[in-house]
Amino acid sequence: DTEVTQTPKHLVMGMTNKKSLKCEQHMGHRAMYWYKQKAKKPPELMFVYSYEKLSINESVPSRFSPECPNSSLLNLHLHALQPEDSALYLCASSQKTSYEQYFGPGTRLTVT
Amino acid sequence: GQQVMQIPQYQHVQEGEDFTTYCNSSTTLSNIQWYKQRPGGHPVFLIQLVKSGEVKKQKRLTFQFGEAKKNSSLHITATQTTDVGTYFCAGRRGGADGLTFGKGTHLIIQP
Repeated sequence: DTEVTQTPKHLVMGMTNKKSLKCEQHMGHRAMYWYKQKAKKPPELMFVYSYEKLSINESVPSRFSPECPNSSLLNLHLHALQPEDSALYLCASSQKTSYEQYFGPGTRLTVT
Repeated sequence: GQQVMQIPQYQHVQEGEDFTTYCNSSTTLSNIQWYKQRPGGHPVFLIQLVKSGEVKKQKRLTFQFGEAKKNSSLHITATQTTDVGTYFCAGRRGGADGLTFGKGTHLIIQP
């Protein structure tokens, strides 16, 4: 199984809502990532988890809160987002942080 | 912070022509990875280069890593319509856990 799955595929939320994005992989990878991607732009790294510990937070606003419940799951909790947070949120995993990354299909988020 | 510059931003080619995208880093990289993203899709890993001066080939694709490990290129020979998409290089500094992506080159192919 070489797949990273993400749910939901699409999400529309208001600025006062609380929602969560989910990511799952069953490749035994020990590094997982959250990226944000705007249209026609490169993925921007948000968070890195290595062996279920947060190793990188790229100065992401606190309205984004990551969680890694176990080695297969990665969540991104969203609260009080702004319209400019609308983007494609990509999850990725890799065997270790120096290895190639496998990306999920992403969650298309719209904040109204 | 680390910057990875990639040119050109857009490249229009006729089908059958060659294509090259270039990547330059402001700092020495421990490795460089290349990804392809089709329109509406997600990035898909193509290759990783680790050694200074390394050259790797995948069918019509040739990847190079510079001697100083600060630059890299991807060359596609005789483009096909299936090559359409955005090609990203992504660099990793030594000891760092994250990748820094270049801005990408959008390849548009006219049949």
